[in-house]
Formats: sequence, structure tokens, C-alpha cells
Amino acid sequence: KAGVTQTPRYLIKTRGQQVTLSCSPISGHRSVSWYQQTPGQGLQFLFEYFSETQRNKGNFPGRFSGRQFSNSRSEMNVSTLELGDSALYLCASSLPGQQNIQYFGAGTRLSVL
Amino acid sequence: AQSVSQHNHHVILSEAASLELGCNYSYGGTVNLFWYVQYPGQHLQLLLKYFSGDPLVKGIKGFEAEFIKSKFSFNLRKPSVQWSDTAEYFCAVSSGSARQLTFGSGTQLTVLP
Repeated sequence: KAGVTQTPRYLIKTRGQQVTLSCSPISGHRSVSWYQQTPGQGLQFLFEYFSETQRNKGNFPGRFSGRQFSNSRSEMNVSTLELGDSALYLCASSLPGQQNIQYFGAGTRLSVL
Repeated sequence: AQSVSQHNHHVILSEAASLELGCNYSYGGTVNLFWYVQYPGQHLQLLLKYFSGDPLVKGIKGFEAEFIKSKFSFNLRKPSVQWSDTAEYFCAVSSGSARQLTFGSGTQLTVLP
């Protein structure tokens, strides 16, 4: 069974631009969560989607948004990029009813210049 | 809000040494506890988990962890480390039915051959 797939793996953007990251969960998984990983702040929760609805949101500004499609694939968008948005963005998926065992993708490395 | 503390930022051991990585969390209710590992260049992988029952849980690759409720701790142990255990280790907690994971800052383990 294929794991969580994130595209692209690497992105370079400049300040002020916007970016969209994509995540395909493991087949059958309907919950998708996004995390930001930086050397200074570590791993921080962004938001979680289930059945196309955002169920939970972390403490990030409104420039960070996401959505989930009917096939459970999810996208995350960051508008008006800032230098501090440079990070590894991780997506995780989980099965409904399997408590909270989350399976992570390899991440998208975003560099903002 | 819940938080997770990992006391050791960087641990250096020789092969065959015993390992114990500390993890403490702050949350008064029911928690689910996890240890994830991130090998160099790879994605986060689940090492072991605790939901309920026996407080001593065994994971992959010979790792185990003990949940001590009175100390709000979930320390990771391995009797004899190998060079291939070199990685970053993250303790994480979720509360109740929430799927949001709160991570510790991580411990970088370096095992010298």
C-alpha cells in the first residue's frame, strides 16, 4: 500500500508570493493533518481535515489555509509568503476509528527568499 | 493547552550502550502517547504508542517505553543501541479523541560505531 505522498518535495519562492502544497493520504485514510517543522519551533500543528471539513486548527495566521477534496486528498496554501515561512511542511493521514495513529509523508521543503 | 518536554536535545552514545530518553507532558486528562523517529533524510515513523492498559509498551527495533501517570512521563528505552539508531526522536501526545499531535522539541541521538 502506498504511503502518504506529498508534492512537490522542494519549492523555492520569494517573499510575497503564494504557494500550494499537495498531500495524497494512504488509501482509505480520511483524516489529513498538516504540520510545520522548523529548527527553532519544532513540529507545530497547522490544521486537520476530515470528510472535506476542517476539524481543528493550530495557532497560525490566516495566511495559512487548506482544503480537502472528496477523494481525501488535501492541499495547503500559504499566501503572502514571509521569510519565516521557510520550513518543512509535513502531511499525516490516519484511519477513522484508529484513535490517533498518524502516518507521515516525506514533506515539502519550502524555502522563501 | 498541553505541552511536551524532552529534556535531552542531543545524546551521544557508543554502540551497545543503553538508552533512555526522557519525555514529560502536561495535561490532566486522558492522553495518547507516541514516540516517532526521523532517520536522516527519511520521513517520521511511528516507533511505539500508548493508549491504555499495560504501561510498558514495546515498539519496533527493540525500543520500549514506560508510561508513569503520576510523573506525567513516557520515557523511551533501548537496552543496547546500534549505529543504525542514529536519528532524531520525537515524543508526542494527543488528548481524548483529538487527532492533533503536540510534539516535543526532539532529541538527536548519535550512536558512535
